[in-house]
Amino acid sequence: EVRLVQSEAEVKEPGESLKISCKGSGYSFTTYWIAWVRQTPEKGLECMGIIYPGDSDTRYSPSFKGHVTISTDKSINTAYLQWSSLKASDTAIYYCARGFEMATMFDSWGQGTLVTVSS
Amino acid sequence: DIVMTQTPLSSPVTLGQPASISCRSSQSLVHSDGNTHLSWLQQRPGQPPRLLISKISNRFSGVPDRFSGSGAGTDFTLKISRVEAEDVGVYYCMQATQFPRSFGQGTKLEIK
Repeated sequence: EVRLVQSEAEVKEPGESLKISCKGSGYSFTTYWIAWVRQTPEKGLECMGIIYPGDSDTRYSPSFKGHVTISTDKSINTAYLQWSSLKASDTAIYYCARGFEMATMFDSWGQGTLVTVSS
Repeated sequence: DIVMTQTPLSSPVTLGQPASISCRSSQSLVHSDGNTHLSWLQQRPGQPPRLLISKISNRFSGVPDRFSGSGAGTDFTLKISRVEAEDVGVYYCMQATQFPRSFGQGTKLEIK
């Protein structure tokens, strides 16, 4: 069974750093893309970027480039999304999803990580 | 970026009756590989999104056959032939022809 298990909810203050994770199991982690998707009530679902764990090929959506870093550690089948300086506007649910066929479809999703940024 | 626009944003439906959701893209979704990378996803309350349909009309594994997708170019439709209680949730179209991938605003399906 394909599973993506994400790290637990986080509460942070503006300016703090954060790294959340997504661990894949039940499939060959290095041969499928991983996408990070943000969900907010205001903007709905937004694809932040994708990464191919096999060679770490990473593509960022213009709206998120420079504000987040996507990475993987293929030795432990885990993808990461990190911020160096959080803003209140980063408050959202973050999902990882497995990208199938060059990330043209997302066929399995993590349970989501709620990130709350508040002073 | 390709903008995806769904209508309606809310759809009250009677159990057992059909439902239809439309999705329009700001430009053609036909990819250079010949495919049209338009997917539909369902998000039940409190759950992550779930893939229902890919490439306009291909039902994903385990998706009931009451769900069907159609369309071409810039106009696409998701149909549910007979709505069941478990279909309550928000439905999204998503394009993957261009990067960044983009989603529609979502259509909330609720039971009358």
